[in-house]
Amino acid sequence: QKEVEQDPGPLSVPEGAIVSLNCTYSNSAFQYFMWYRQYSRKGPELLMYTYSSGNKEDGRFTAQVDKSSKYISLFIRDSQPSDSATYLCAGRMNYGGATNKLIFGTGTLLAVQP
Amino acid sequence: NAGVMQNPRHLVRRRGQEARLRCSPMKGHSHVYWYRQLPEEGLKFMVYLQKENIIDESGMPKERFSAEFPKEGPSILRIQQVVRGDSAAYFCASSPGLAFNEQFFGPGTRLTVL
Repeated sequence: QKEVEQDPGPLSVPEGAIVSLNCTYSNSAFQYFMWYRQYSRKGPELLMYTYSSGNKEDGRFTAQVDKSSKYISLFIRDSQPSDSATYLCAGRMNYGGATNKLIFGTGTLLAVQP
Repeated sequence: NAGVMQNPRHLVRRRGQEARLRCSPMKGHSHVYWYRQLPEEGLKFMVYLQKENIIDESGMPKERFSAEFPKEGPSILRIQQVVRGDSAAYFCASSPGLAFNEQFFGPGTRLTVL
């Protein structure tokens, strides 16, 4: 079983739609959860991170973590064609574990149609 | 304020040759991570280094792969006797230290083994 599972998509939505991207994870030791955006043939770019459970909002983006169900979500409001990219979720243990490695899902390819 | 730099951006090698991938972290960052991205497999952690130290190499293949981050100069990921299965995008990320959650990724090196 992969530590982080993510539907690869592709997910196609019309411009202006609300997008919901989701991941599940199996490692109970994860404390930090990240969302990265990766455009084709580019490096990943950090969008948001959250610590433990809860919500975090940044502009059109909202990240949610439910540790009881091991579920991670990213919502994009008023989606734009420029949001078309692969979205990667990742988990990380607390830094007290002496490693900082990120465990990624496979990524979801999102296409926002104008 | 340059970001993480990687070179070369594209590297072509024949089977059996050596590949050297270089990563210069962001200014002020002393932690470097290497990840490999295979098609439809997402980003996989390989190794985490600080200056002159390997902290976590749990994701490194046991043979042919090595990494270093010397006191001066870039971090190097070295692949000896490359095989076709080594063809992938290799990404480097850097962070200021353990307590910082953000890992900033470079543009990647795309290795093709003929």
